[in-house]
Amino acid sequence: GAVVSQHPSWVICKSGTSVKIECRSLDFQATTMFWYRQFPKQSLMLMATSNEGSKATYEQGVEKDKFLINHASLTLSTLTVTSAHPEDSSFYICSANFGFANEKLFFGSGTQLSVL
Amino acid sequence: SQKIEQNSEALNIQEGKTATLTCNYTNYSPAYLQWYRQDPGRGPVFLLLIRENEKEKRKERLKVTFDTTLKQSLFHITASQPADSATYLCALPGGSYIPTFGRGTSLIVHP
Repeated sequence: GAVVSQHPSWVICKSGTSVKIECRSLDFQATTMFWYRQFPKQSLMLMATSNEGSKATYEQGVEKDKFLINHASLTLSTLTVTSAHPEDSSFYICSANFGFANEKLFFGSGTQLSVL
Repeated sequence: SQKIEQNSEALNIQEGKTATLTCNYTNYSPAYLQWYRQDPGRGPVFLLLIRENEKEKRKERLKVTFDTTLKQSLFHITASQPADSATYLCALPGGSYIPTFGRGTSLIVHP
């Protein structure tokens, strides 16, 4: 099946620094990628929809200036958490659509972000 | 918006038994419903999709049913194994077919 690679798997950073997370579709082209955040024992919360070559669409309540998304190619989307604070600590997961109408999503392995 | 309910309590079963997980939704019936498996510290993995006009779908030891009258999907794992222990998420498409996920139910299969 299709593979989505996400890096890094985990990152620890100091408060106020920025962290970039990469999401790559390895064997298919993904015009649309999704970024989710998940807190322990909670459901995946959609943060934004990333479209290749255009601006991302952010969900209500997600600060677009804090969570910068770039989808410069058909195989790469990045999420940058700017000026990270402890409340940004969470599990971030990307996914790419494979097929019509998002009938099958392939997820990255996730990134555990811990902000000290 | 769609509200998805999955049992938040973990399901503990003995190896070899059939595990049954429930997914209920509250609003409109979706065009399809998906089930994913998520292991701790990992991203979800797609398992099955069932469409609104399908009553049942099978894949190896997995079986999914979809009752649009009850607004419910049941997910069965037959002959369960300890390796089946994970959290199982159901998801329904919302606007622009972007999936909304339930909280998931943790399954623990004891040897």
